[in-house]
Amino acid sequence: SQQGEEDPQALSIQEGENATMNCSYKTSINNLQWYRQNSGRGLVHLILIRSNEREKHSGRLRVTLDTSKKSSSLLITASRAADTASYFCATVLTSGGSYIPTFGRGTSLIVHP
Amino acid sequence: DTEVTQTPKHLVMGMTNKKSLKCEQHMGHRAMYWYKQKAKKPPELMFVYSYEKLSINESVPSRFSPECPNSSLLNLHLHALQPEDSALYLCASSQSPQQGYEKLFFGSGTQLSVL
Repeated sequence: SQQGEEDPQALSIQEGENATMNCSYKTSINNLQWYRQNSGRGLVHLILIRSNEREKHSGRLRVTLDTSKKSSSLLITASRAADTASYFCATVLTSGGSYIPTFGRGTSLIVHP
Repeated sequence: DTEVTQTPKHLVMGMTNKKSLKCEQHMGHRAMYWYKQKAKKPPELMFVYSYEKLSINESVPSRFSPECPNSSLLNLHLHALQPEDSALYLCASSQSPQQGYEKLFFGSGTQLSVL
């Protein structure tokens, strides 16, 4: 079952601009993670934010988490053409004592040089 | 070594064939996952192995048969697949299946086409 819903589904910007992607989820979470996927390749972990954190930075990435609204945002500053990829948020559901990472539908980002 | 290695990278098979996808990691991770991803869709979980035991099967058809021979290897055996099974199959691992804070390490996937 799908937990997260990213918004927008597609985003097209010019190099140097900032890109903001949002993720909403339905159930309580331990943490929320963001992943990046280049076309036809595996996913790469970008950043993890725990449920007791509100903001986290990593290089040009800034992630916020609002557990009251069940939403998170990923901001990529000063975007580059190489940032072109799909971005997914992932939350962890529990099932039978196991933790199940579940991905949202993703945002497809195109950065034009 | 922080890699998850998947082979083959591409696979074309007929509906009567039997083939296997392989996944290997040497990070000492004790949880391994198979995901299926259709074009422009998110990865969908198929199976989870925790400490070499199958812990989650997300109602996957029996034509997909997972196997975990040891803590470093994960196989997905394919038999009598349908054209709609064509997709990117992703293997992932995480350090512990019971923490809930672990990030996933993904392989680059096997692009499967069923004719």
